[in-house]
Amino acid sequence: SQQGEEDPQALSIQEGENATMNCSYKTSINNLQWYRQNSGRGLVHLILIRSNEREKHSGRLRVTLDTSKKSSSLLITASRAADTASYFCATDGDDYKLSFGAGTTVTVRA
Amino acid sequence: SAVISQKPSRDICQRGTSLTIQCQVDSQVTMMFWYRQQPGQSLTLIATANQGSEATYESGFVIDKFPISRPNLTFSTLTVSNMSPEDSSIYLCSVDEVGDGYTFGSGTRLTVV
Repeated sequence: SQQGEEDPQALSIQEGENATMNCSYKTSINNLQWYRQNSGRGLVHLILIRSNEREKHSGRLRVTLDTSKKSSSLLITASRAADTASYFCATDGDDYKLSFGAGTTVTVRA
Repeated sequence: SAVISQKPSRDICQRGTSLTIQCQVDSQVTMMFWYRQQPGQSLTLIATANQGSEATYESGFVIDKFPISRPNLTFSTLTVSNMSPEDSSIYLCSVDEVGDGYTFGSGTRLTVV
């Protein structure tokens, strides 16, 4: 079942700008993951942050996790047209099942 | 990381028929997962497929409608049975990379007419 809520639902930015999206969840987690989906195709794993971590970087991606607030954010810096996609957070709990958020659709304008 | 080959990539089917979706993984994995993504929605887990045992279905999904096979550690199929237009969705399989996220197949876009 979905336990993540994401905002905003949609985001439109100019190329070169930063994009920030947020995810909130309800239950305890082992880790939180972010995925990208292009045009209804398969999901691509972007980054995983463990429950004992607060921040993680991967290239132009920065993820934060606040377990006290049960929330996470994904920042994409210096956006490119190729970053246009839907982004989903997913939480991984003790049952080894992923629960996905509703997703944020990002459009990067040239 | 694992590479998953999912087939077919898309299909248009008549209502009342069945479609079997296949996922082949290039390495042995204990658990495989099947998801449904309805139009404009997020992913919902259908079931977990373990080799040598029956799949475990999530609430709202039943074996008669979505039978799953898992004959070995690299292969699984999901059948969507007696289809109706409400079954039009993207279906995805995935495997756990054990601490490094999950790898997904490229998805099967199903349209039922």
